[in-house]
Amino acid sequence: KNEVEQSPQNLTAQEGEFITINCSYSVGISALHWLQQHPGGGIVSLFMLSSGKKKHGRLIATINIQEKHSSLHITASHPRDSAVYICAVQGTPNTGNQFYFGTGTSLTVIP
Amino acid sequence: GAVVSQHPSWVICKSGTSVKIECRSLDFQATTMFWYRQFPKQSLMLMATSNEGSKATYEQGVEKDKFLINHASLTLSTLTVTSAHPEDSSFYICSARDIGWVFRESDNEQFFGPGTRLTVL
Repeated sequence: KNEVEQSPQNLTAQEGEFITINCSYSVGISALHWLQQHPGGGIVSLFMLSSGKKKHGRLIATINIQEKHSSLHITASHPRDSAVYICAVQGTPNTGNQFYFGTGTSLTVIP
Repeated sequence: GAVVSQHPSWVICKSGTSVKIECRSLDFQATTMFWYRQFPKQSLMLMATSNEGSKATYEQGVEKDKFLINHASLTLSTLTVTSAHPEDSSFYICSARDIGWVFRESDNEQFFGPGTRLTVL
């Protein structure tokens, strides 16, 4: 069983659509990260969350600690948003702050 | 955001040779750097945590004699793949954690390097 589950695995959207990617985890965490990996492999850290909600441009990330669930939303999606989005959680000091990664959601935004 | 560089960005080598990959934090100091590998169409796998001035902590299943990690300064960590074999071909990514200020929320934030694609023939 994976400590981090993401859904959907693949997502195709029309430009302008509102997109939601979900992440559920089963371990105690100190932080949750949303990462974006472009086709060339480079990774960008989009958000780091320990509670509540964060917004950056068209991206919004929320986390519900009680439900062990996080969502990444993209408003007014654009073809340049096409990438793999990875949810990663960082464990607590009791677990050595270990990182657990989801398998990623491959997003394709069609013009 | 902070910048992390990796060198080389790609390397092709013969089986049996050793390859060194550098990870540098360019505009901040990093007491901790992380090394990951990623197989095609798979997610990241943490290989080891590198702490400046001390031995790296390897994840279960990662051979420490095979993947030598050195974190000699607050801005540089190196990963050496020794006696590389074709099964070591992968995408290797490092990340670095900013020392920051002790009570800053982003203490846990990591900045990722662009990755190094290793192909062993």
